[in-house]
Amino acid sequence: SQQGEEDPQALSIQEGENATMNCSYKTSINNLQWYRQNSGRGLVHLILIRSNEREKHSGRLRVTLDTSKKSSSLLITASRAADTASYFCATDGMDSSYKLIFGSGTRLLVRP
Amino acid sequence: GAGVSQSPRYKVTKRGQDVTLRCDPISSHATLYWYQQALGQGPEFLTYFNYEAQPDKSGLPSDRFSAERPEGSISTLTIQRTEQRDSAMYRCASSLRQGRGTQYFGPGTRLLVL
Repeated sequence: SQQGEEDPQALSIQEGENATMNCSYKTSINNLQWYRQNSGRGLVHLILIRSNEREKHSGRLRVTLDTSKKSSSLLITASRAADTASYFCATDGMDSSYKLIFGSGTRLLVRP
Repeated sequence: GAGVSQSPRYKVTKRGQDVTLRCDPISSHATLYWYQQALGQGPEFLTYFNYEAQPDKSGLPSDRFSAERPEGSISTLTIQRTEQRDSAMYRCASSLRQGRGTQYFGPGTRLLVL
């Protein structure tokens, strides 16, 4: 069963615009991670944020975490056509740190 | 190796046949994971290994599924008497050790059971 839900399920934007995806989860966590999946390719790790962190940046990516609301957001700034992919959040629980629980993903389309 | 590799990349089989999928993790990584991903969904945990030990196999859907990692490096996932509902992407990941954050995923094996 999926731990969380991403919102929106699908997002279509113009190149250069920002894309924001949200993730909600159900149980207490150690870490929350975001992964990208291009069509026909593997899951690529983007960024990890720990439960005691509130915000993290990596290049054009900005992740926030609100443990009181059990939610996270991923912001991609100045999007490019190459950012077209599915984006998944994944959490590992405090009692099962080895097991990543994924949401159902947001499909992002960046139009050139 | 440089990354996680999986073979075969695609497998088509007939219902009732056995299949074995292979995963070669990053060489320095102690922990290896198997996930199953249905179309349009996120991956779901199947099982994992710390070296050759398999502490949790609770995610395996049935006793037709089994996994091994006999020497603590390469792992295989075997599905016996395949059924059409086993059709999915099977993903392997590895991490430095259990609970150490980032899991690095391989390209996956897409299994189609006819």
